Amino acid sequence: AQSVTQPDIHITVSEGASLELRCNYSYGATPYLFWYVQSPGQGLQLLLKYFSGDTLVQGIKGFEAEFKRSQSSFNLRKPSVHWSDAAEYFCAVGLPGGYNKLIFGAGTRLAVHP
Amino acid sequence: SQTIHQWPATLVQPVGSPLSLECTVEGTSNPNLYWYRQAAGRGLQLLFYSVGIGQISSEVPQNLSASRPQDRQFILSSKKLLLSDSGFYLCAWTAGGSSYNEQFFGPGTRLTVL
Repeated sequence: AQSVTQPDIHITVSEGASLELRCNYSYGATPYLFWYVQSPGQGLQLLLKYFSGDTLVQGIKGFEAEFKRSQSSFNLRKPSVHWSDAAEYFCAVGLPGGYNKLIFGAGTRLAVHP
Repeated sequence: SQTIHQWPATLVQPVGSPLSLECTVEGTSNPNLYWYRQAAGRGLQLLFYSVGIGQISSEVPQNLSASRPQDRQFILSSKKLLLSDSGFYLCAWTAGGSSYNEQFFGPGTRLTVL
């Protein structure tokens, strides 16, 4: 069965430090991959997506992610974290075959120290 | 541009009472619509999706039901709420059709069942 694993439940970084959030998926074919961000009490905002092509994708707010087929990973990175990046981050896999359904990871909560 | 609305934003209901949550989308036609539930500290679970008026697919058997009376309106209902129905409910939409498209989320409804 398809699944998405985000191994880190909580991550704390200092402002200005680099960030990498891990995401691993289980899926038989090349999936559609997404990262969303959720501020407390809010809906989800799409940060970036990978459908095909260049495996390094750029998103909003200075985030990027790299698709590595050999590792079944789609890790999210940012070179310098800002205090406003504190939020919860969700990795998701889109299932082809119609209906645009998504499977989400459990999320990683990011705290940023000043 | 497209926007998605959900109401109410928060709701506190007693066990055994009925529920109706509404989601509407503006600026697009024939979207695919989705209801998710997010329990505290957990990821998003897809509850229902719809690819057209009156077409509802359920992902998880439960105490809830969904309806789509109009093209851009999606309603989540229950006849009798359970304590376990508490959570954050998110509606999402995506463009219909054969191509894969990302989902866009509404602001959510916080439901507390007492």
